[in-house]
Amino acid sequence: KNQVEQSPQSLIILEGKNCTLQCNYTVSPFSNLRWYKQDTGRGPVSLTIMTFSENTKSNGRYTATLDADTKQSSLHITASQLSDSASYICVVSPWGDYKLSFGAGTTVTVRA
Amino acid sequence: DAMVIQNPRYQVTQFGKPVTLSCSQTLNHNVMYWYQQKSSQAPKLLFHYYDKDFNNEADTPDNFQSRRPNTSFCFLDIRSPGLGDAAMYLCATQGAYNEQFFGPGTRLTVL
Repeated sequence: KNQVEQSPQSLIILEGKNCTLQCNYTVSPFSNLRWYKQDTGRGPVSLTIMTFSENTKSNGRYTATLDADTKQSSLHITASQLSDSASYICVVSPWGDYKLSFGAGTTVTVRA
Repeated sequence: DAMVIQNPRYQVTQFGKPVTLSCSQTLNHNVMYWYQQKSSQAPKLLFHYYDKDFNNEADTPDNFQSRRPNTSFCFLDIRSPGLGDAAMYLCATQGAYNEQFFGPGTRLTVL
């Protein structure tokens, strides 16, 4: 069964600090992995997408890494801002199938 | 520019009163999805289309139906909404190169 597990479930950080979110998956065969940011009451917005041959991808203060061998990914947020408060969702696409596998998300709260 | 548009953004209906949610896209993507997302949970897939080929998830209640009259539009019909159907409904698309976009969602309230 294709599964995506994220940790931690939630975290609180001070403005300006860094944090790292984790995603482990069992989806196979693997096509790509995306990180989405979802603000409360809004639809998810894509931050990064990585295929199996990509190890790292950056989007501003967001940097995602992928280890396709261990089936792990991380999302690093640098110099957090209050606007980074949101749920971050890891989504994995299997090869040859349109059904996406979602993690439960990590809720990040940035405090001043 | 909005690429996946959902209307309405907020929908209030009464228990048992049919409701239709709409989604449109300007991306010409073949694949469209409908998801149900409840508070603090991952989105749950209800249906997806590849062009007009309809794929229903095994655990999607019969109360939920969908239509895709053309590439651009997709509708979610809830025939008899129950209190448990109150949720955020997300529409998403996927293109030929795996690019994916979500709409802003429709928040459904059932009174």
